[in-house]
Amino acid sequence: GQQVMQIPQYQHVQEGEDFTTYCNSSTTLSNIQWYKQRPGGHPVFLIQLVKSGEVKKQKRLTFQFGEAKKNSSLHITATQTTDVGTYFCAGIIQGAQKLVFGQGTRLTINP
Amino acid sequence: DTGVSQNPRHKITKRGQNVTFRCDPISEHNRLYWYRQTLGQGPEFLTYFQNEAQLEKSRLLSDRFSAERPKGSFSTLEIQRTEQGDSAMYLCASSLVAGQGNYGHTFGSGTRLTVV
Repeated sequence: GQQVMQIPQYQHVQEGEDFTTYCNSSTTLSNIQWYKQRPGGHPVFLIQLVKSGEVKKQKRLTFQFGEAKKNSSLHITATQTTDVGTYFCAGIIQGAQKLVFGQGTRLTINP
Repeated sequence: DTGVSQNPRHKITKRGQNVTFRCDPISEHNRLYWYRQTLGQGPEFLTYFQNEAQLEKSRLLSDRFSAERPKGSFSTLEIQRTEQGDSAMYLCASSLVAGQGNYGHTFGSGTRLTVV
């Protein structure tokens, strides 16, 4: 079936190091969204990308949407302990309406 | 507006019992979604409503699950004859969809179901 795959599943970094998570879809997406879920919390919407090749920044976070609209990435520069959590990508398959979530990348940080 | 509200926060039930969860979305939002999340996984789509109409239901959802959204306001998710495999966090989310725009989900805090 249609799937959104996310890698890596886990990432542990030293505070101050960079972090990247990658998201790949087997089919073309009409848009992709990114969410952050803190331990014990619920997913919180970060951003939505719609256009092919789109790049958006939020302070230390950079989000990219691939040219083919099948992949995306989230890059965090100089991680801080407040960045701890699980980052999910979620895509809307073209022609459909529902969001399909990736499995998430759990980020832990050594202070 | 206090966001998306779900209750109860926790529910422990015996296998075979029926349970019902409630979700109150953000009032300005026209879409309401139900997801299920198990440990270490992303939210899994169950169903969604646009106003009061249920537009899509996951094929993974057995006929023991039913959702309603009377009058396009709050929604309820009922699970009949619960099984241990139903144990999970049930998340509700709402969003605004207008024209070609589909905006991000606002999630509630979820209802954690434990079937014993």
